[in-house]
Amino acid sequence: EADIYQTPRYLVIGTGKKITLECSQTMGHDKMYWYQQDPGMELHLIHYSYGVNSTEKGDLSSESTVSRIRTEHFPLTLESARPSHTSQYLCASRNTGTGELFFGEGSRLTVL
Amino acid sequence: AQSVTQLGSHVSVSEGALVLLRCNYSSSVPPYLFWYVQYPNQGLQLLLKYTSAATLVKGINGFEAEFKKSETSFHLTKPSAHMSDAAEYFCAVSPGNQFYFGTGTSLTVIP
Repeated sequence: EADIYQTPRYLVIGTGKKITLECSQTMGHDKMYWYQQDPGMELHLIHYSYGVNSTEKGDLSSESTVSRIRTEHFPLTLESARPSHTSQYLCASRNTGTGELFFGEGSRLTVL
Repeated sequence: AQSVTQLGSHVSVSEGALVLLRCNYSSSVPPYLFWYVQYPNQGLQLLLKYTSAATLVKGINGFEAEFKKSETSFHLTKPSAHMSDAAEYFCAVSPGNQFYFGTGTSLTVIP
């Protein structure tokens, strides 16, 4: 069973608010990822990290930012939320040995 | 360039019938290949993976997939569908550090 946790699971906020989506894993994985997923659409990589103090932007342009101060923690922040940010955000970490990607249960964000 | 194509965004089968979900990939290097399942309001869960060992891979819940290099395919099958199989299925290829996902296939099981 995957030990990767996302909070909050659901969030409804107003335009202009700052929000942080939390992601933590207890598996000691160096590689972590954030994906954005809209209904009926593929997963889009928005950020990734290969270890502490390493962060990169993904294929999909995003106004969010991430940080990786500790191995187990990879939070995503939106400084000023807009309705276009309404989506599901999935956090994942990778077991380098097996190649497998482990996912959290997702954070569904609605911006009014 | 790497990409994954899942043929059929929606597939419906009767309970007890064969499930076949198609996946074709392109990769410039020998890849890892994966199938993931996503139930409503949840993250993705690994069904099975191919990592250059046996070409026929068995996964959880009775699913299996066959890697065919000549066809660049990695189709997912299950001999007999259960109601609990209704979900979204994603094929993914990983030639290196990145994962590339298909657009997903929504499986409906008709009682």
